[in-house]
Amino acid sequence: KQEVTQIPAALSVPEGENLVLNCSFTDSAIYNLQWFRQDPGKGLTSLLLIQSSQREQTSGRLNASLDKSSGRSTLYIAASQPGDSATYLCAVRIRAGANSKLTFGKGITLSVRP
Amino acid sequence: NAGVMQNPRHLVRRRGQEARLRCSPMKGHSHVYWYRQLPEEGLKFMVYLQKENIIDESGMPKERFSAEFPKEGPSILRIQQVVRGDSAAYFCASSPPTGNPNTDTQYFGPGTRLTVL
Repeated sequence: KQEVTQIPAALSVPEGENLVLNCSFTDSAIYNLQWFRQDPGKGLTSLLLIQSSQREQTSGRLNASLDKSSGRSTLYIAASQPGDSATYLCAVRIRAGANSKLTFGKGITLSVRP
Repeated sequence: NAGVMQNPRHLVRRRGQEARLRCSPMKGHSHVYWYRQLPEEGLKFMVYLQKENIIDESGMPKERFSAEFPKEGPSILRIQQVVRGDSAAYFCASSPPTGNPNTDTQYFGPGTRLTVL
């Protein structure tokens, strides 16, 4: 059974700091891995999607890496801003097709202090 | 192209009542997924549907919960005889049937927050 872990549960950093959010998963046989952002009381916004054959993806100040063999992914946020404050969720997808559910971690709640 | 729509956004029910949550997928999407987010927990998969078919319901509680995605109209998640433990945010997601690994993602709605009194 696939399990996704995100530690720590919460993180507080000063504005401008570069930071890394960690995600680990128990079964390396994944189809893809996705990082989402969730603002309080809101839905999920997809940030980056990494296919199992890829090592990293970049979008603006965000960079996500994937090490499938060790069951780890990191989300790197450069020059953090107060607007980055949110909960960041990592999710893995086992395979395409009929069994396409996402398995989520509990998320990391990030607070960026001005 | 409107995103995934869910209504109501907030729903309050008393114990024993029924809750009906609606999800309209993005235009052109034929796959719908329901997830539940309990307080202080991550999102948990409940059910995956295509038009008129339940593909995977391995995350659905055995009793009181049902889901449908009819040929016409939104997908419905129905909870009968609600209990306080059903209080949670229920998210719907949709995806296109393309199977393109580079874009094969799920698009999430804003969620319905159910409170059972």
